[in-house]
Amino acid sequence: DGGITQSPKYLFRKEGQNVTLSCEQNLNHDAMYWYRQDPGQGLRLIYYSQIVNDFQKGDIAEGYSVSREKKESFPLTVTSAQKNPTAFYLCATRDRAGQPQHFGDGTRLSIL
Amino acid sequence: AQSVAQPEDQVNVAEGNPLTVKCTYSVSGNPYLFWYVQYPNRGLQFLLKYITGDNLVKGSYGFEAEFNKSQTSFHLKKPSALVSDSALYFCAVRDGRGDNFNKFYFGSGTKLNVKP
Repeated sequence: DGGITQSPKYLFRKEGQNVTLSCEQNLNHDAMYWYRQDPGQGLRLIYYSQIVNDFQKGDIAEGYSVSREKKESFPLTVTSAQKNPTAFYLCATRDRAGQPQHFGDGTRLSIL
Repeated sequence: AQSVAQPEDQVNVAEGNPLTVKCTYSVSGNPYLFWYVQYPNRGLQFLLKYITGDNLVKGSYGFEAEFNKSQTSFHLKKPSALVSDSALYFCAVRDGRGDNFNKFYFGSGTKLNVKP
């Protein structure tokens, strides 16, 4: 989706290291989401934010942290506490209630 | 609990034939239902949604979906498949309750293979 930029596209994490995935949007959407995608398991919600300076845990928040200091940005940190971080991470935004989500093109995180 | 089931991991169809990708859901209250498509190493692209109204919803690229309240299903259909339709398809439902008002639940995905 042209309005959502995820970077980097590929990321490698060393043992005991924290890494941060970037998600920036120019769609002026209030809500932002982070999902983890593993083969055969669909998308699982990590965190979501409905407004600036507020966010809620999703179904698999352990080992992850987020911040929402600006409307345009919702970075995700994968901490060393996340023991199995290898996955495809997707950021999404949503405008008004009832509207679909818009997705970025993802970041693929692997362990070195 | 809110959930979405896509009972088929993979659907194979010949080009030009009709296709159906199945989805059933469980949700409290009125469902907001969505279909997305994903190509390799890309994000999800929105195809269509059902919120209220006509049970047959038309979307992008010739896709449509039929909402069936009694069977709690929202199957994706296309009258004539193209090789370029080969991709991973996800059904999703939005939770309309209280604090979970903005949460979406996704099925596990169905890989569609369209053979020439």
